[in-house]
Amino acid sequence: KAGVTQTPRYLIKTRGQQVTLSCSPISGHRSVSWYQQTPGQGLQFLFEYFSETQRNKGNFPGRFSGRQFSNSRSEMNVSTLELGDSALYLCASSSRQGGGTQYFGPGTRLLVL
Amino acid sequence: QKEVEQDPGPLSVPEGAIVSLNCTYSNSAFQYFMWYRQYSRKGPELLMYTYSSGNKEDGRFTAQVDKSSKYISLFIRDSQPSDSATYLCAMEGGSEKLVFGKGTKLTVNP
Repeated sequence: KAGVTQTPRYLIKTRGQQVTLSCSPISGHRSVSWYQQTPGQGLQFLFEYFSETQRNKGNFPGRFSGRQFSNSRSEMNVSTLELGDSALYLCASSSRQGGGTQYFGPGTRLLVL
Repeated sequence: QKEVEQDPGPLSVPEGAIVSLNCTYSNSAFQYFMWYRQYSRKGPELLMYTYSSGNKEDGRFTAQVDKSSKYISLFIRDSQPSDSATYLCAMEGGSEKLVFGKGTKLTVNP
């Protein structure tokens, strides 16, 4: 089985812009979770989508949003980018909702200038 | 108090050493415990998954959970340079999401 794929792998944006990241889960997995990883805060949960519905959400501002399509692919959007949004954004897929065995993609490294 | 505490290290050991990595937690609702390994510029990969107190062994890796002390450990026997990575503990229970430790950076020197 192919693993979790994320595009793009690297991205440079300026403050105030918006960005959309994409994640394709392992075939058959219906849960996609998004995480932000920074050296200071570690891995922080953003949100989880299961069967096209957001099931859980972390403590991030409304500028962070996402969606999931009928084929389980997911996108994450960050609007009005801030310098502090520079991070590695990881998505993980799972066969069940709410944690469990999660398989991570390689991440998208976002740099906000 | 953070839900999950993990010493960030860094930890440097010679090849062949036994490595002990640890996490403590405060949330009694945590029932499932995982260890992930993350190489530089890669996503985390699942190493061990356990849900009960006691030991679980997989090759050179042993995961240990002590729910009464709220303490989990990962032991690596006969460590190899290829084990050099950041190791993250993760826990689940109550909130239907994983909570991660900040990770411990391990270097195994040949």
